[in-house]
Amino acid sequence: AQTVTQSQPEMSVQEAETVTLSCTYDTSESNYYLFWYKQPPSRQMILVIRQEAYKQQNATENRFSVNFQKAAKSFSLKISDSQLGDTAMYFCAFISNSGYALNFGKGTSLLVTP
Amino acid sequence: DGGITQSPKYLFRKEGQNVTLSCEQNLNHDAMYWYRQDPGQGLRLIYYSQIVNDFQKGDIAEGYSVSREKKESFPLTVTSAQKNPTAFYLCASSMSGTAPYGYTFGSGTRLTVV
Repeated sequence: AQTVTQSQPEMSVQEAETVTLSCTYDTSESNYYLFWYKQPPSRQMILVIRQEAYKQQNATENRFSVNFQKAAKSFSLKISDSQLGDTAMYFCAFISNSGYALNFGKGTSLLVTP
Repeated sequence: DGGITQSPKYLFRKEGQNVTLSCEQNLNHDAMYWYRQDPGQGLRLIYYSQIVNDFQKGDIAEGYSVSREKKESFPLTVTSAQKNPTAFYLCASSMSGTAPYGYTFGSGTRLTVV
């Protein structure tokens, strides 16, 4: 079974600081895709960033970047210069090339404080 | 604009009733999905459909049913057999079943049993 684990149920960071959210996954496959989704209080799911497993370069989207460690099966999200609008639930997700649906972690609730 | 529309936003069900949640997309996506979200549980897959007229059970399909008669539509029926239906329900779609670019999500339906 392919599982996704987010070990930090809640985190807090001050505005303008940097925070890292952790995600590990378990798979025996070599080709897969990883995602971070953001769910703000509106509950609309928003794709933050994606990573293709066969690419060694870590994905970056503006203030969001990932640290993808394939051997360790780790996929952490770094948010730089945190803003109040980053307050949300963040979900890590995984799908393999042979998969049929995304597997999601249980989420990390991030609070950005002034 | 292309997207996914879920309706209604809020739904109340009496004990013993069946209710149907609507999900419509105009993205020309082949694959559609239903997830259930409970606090602390992340997103759990109920049903998925990779092509019209075909659908498969996910991890928690008991008490739910779906149909996929049109590419654009993937309604979810919560039957009286679902013992704990109060939850937030998310519909999603992807270009293909392997979802290498992740999902587009609807805005969700909050179902409450009264």
